Amino acid sequence: QVQLVESGGGVVQPGRSLRLSCAASGFTFSSSGMHWVRQAPGKGLEWVAVISYDENIKSYADSGKGRFTISRDNSKNTLYLQMNSLRAEDTAVYYCAKDAGWLRLGDYFDYWGQGTLVTVSS
Amino acid sequence: HSALTQPASVSGSPGQSITISCTGTSSYVGGYNYVSWYQQHPGKAPKLMIYDVSNRPSGVSNRFSGSKSGNTASLTISGLQAEDEADYYCSSYTSSSTWVFGGGTKLTVL
Repeated sequence: QVQLVESGGGVVQPGRSLRLSCAASGFTFSSSGMHWVRQAPGKGLEWVAVISYDENIKSYADSGKGRFTISRDNSKNTLYLQMNSLRAEDTAVYYCAKDAGWLRLGDYFDYWGQGTLVTVSS
Repeated sequence: HSALTQPASVSGSPGQSITISCTGTSSYVGGYNYVSWYQQHPGKAPKLMIYDVSNRPSGVSNRFSGSKSGNTASLTISGLQAEDEADYYCSSYTSSSTWVFGGGTKLTVL
């Protein structure tokens, strides 16, 4: 079965950096696009970024453009999110989610991880 | 301010039907059949319930259905059960490989 396990969250000071990871199993990771979606405490879901199966397409929400970088290592079945210049408003649970497309980006998220909490605070 | 507008809350009694709306624009929702719906129980990850406006993934109860009219998509849950109490989010692919979510709707089963 599909499993997505995020890690790398924690408490970080404003302005610092953090890298999240998402270990994938149970599907052909190298053929699937992947997303990061976040949820601030008590708030709704916010799409953060997407990467295509071959890394040719990377797209970001305005909130993370220029600060966040999505990447993947298909040899390790792992998705990453490098977050720089973190702000208090980046505090959220970060979920990785599998794109429903096959060898192309689809339009929805068919599996989600359990999330990792990032807290930006001094 | 979310790109997609949902009611903050809806409620219904067991056995009843409820509908949650999701209003966007002609750029998304109205222009494409790329609306999906997610259920989220407290402290849990979201779960896909409906994709491409009205399609149900394998394993999702047929009590859940989706539709669209103009710039508004809707999720209907029939035969409400206590386990349906959760937050529900709509989402739409926009263009240029970006996605948006609604603000979420809290469903209370009375």
